[in-house]
Amino acid sequence: DQQVKQNSPSLSVQEGRISILNCDYTNSMFDYFLWYKKYPAEGPTFLISISSIKDKNEDGRFTVFLNKSAKHLSLHIVPSQPGDSAVYFCAASGNQFYFGTGTSLTVIP
Amino acid sequence: KAGVTQTPRYLIKTRGQQVTLSCSPISGHRSVSWYQQTPGQGLQFLFEYFSETQRNKGNFPGRFSGRQFSNSRSEMNVSTLELGDSALYLCASSSNGQRRFSGANVLTFGAGSRLTVL
Repeated sequence: DQQVKQNSPSLSVQEGRISILNCDYTNSMFDYFLWYKKYPAEGPTFLISISSIKDKNEDGRFTVFLNKSAKHLSLHIVPSQPGDSAVYFCAASGNQFYFGTGTSLTVIP
Repeated sequence: KAGVTQTPRYLIKTRGQQVTLSCSPISGHRSVSWYQQTPGQGLQFLFEYFSETQRNKGNFPGRFSGRQFSNSRSEMNVSTLELGDSALYLCASSSNGQRRFSGANVLTFGAGSRLTVL
């Protein structure tokens, strides 16, 4: 049973525009939500997180929004850069981390 | 600070064989988790070890096992390999000392071991 879902397998965005990646979850007991970025032949790297008691966290070009009532979080990247092209995984933490299936972002120069 | 090191990076096995993968965590990290990544399935949690004890376990068959040594290095073993076991196996370490992870104890991943079963 997939407790964290990313329904968009891929996304293409023009350089300089906003990228919005979405994630839905089912378990209201998750404490933290995280985004990881993965390049080919590398392991995922931590990008940004948000506590379940917050609704927004910002770090430079990256902002994560959490809507607990909708059990939905999103990652905004502004402005998008070609180096942002990667697979993005959202994750939720409790006793373990639950990961989504990933969204492949392509930023077109 | 050295990162998480996984060996081997690539390996090919045949059905019925067994395989052992190794993971050296970041120095000082006592929590080691293992994940299986396959296309369309994302990262599936296998198990987590902390101080040589399995602390959490995912929904994988008993053919998948692991252990952790006193220096926090960890190994996972897959016996009687099946074609469906072909995947990228990722190890991640964390400084998390609690059973529940917090946002301050994020996972740091290795580059993975790519297993192909023929």
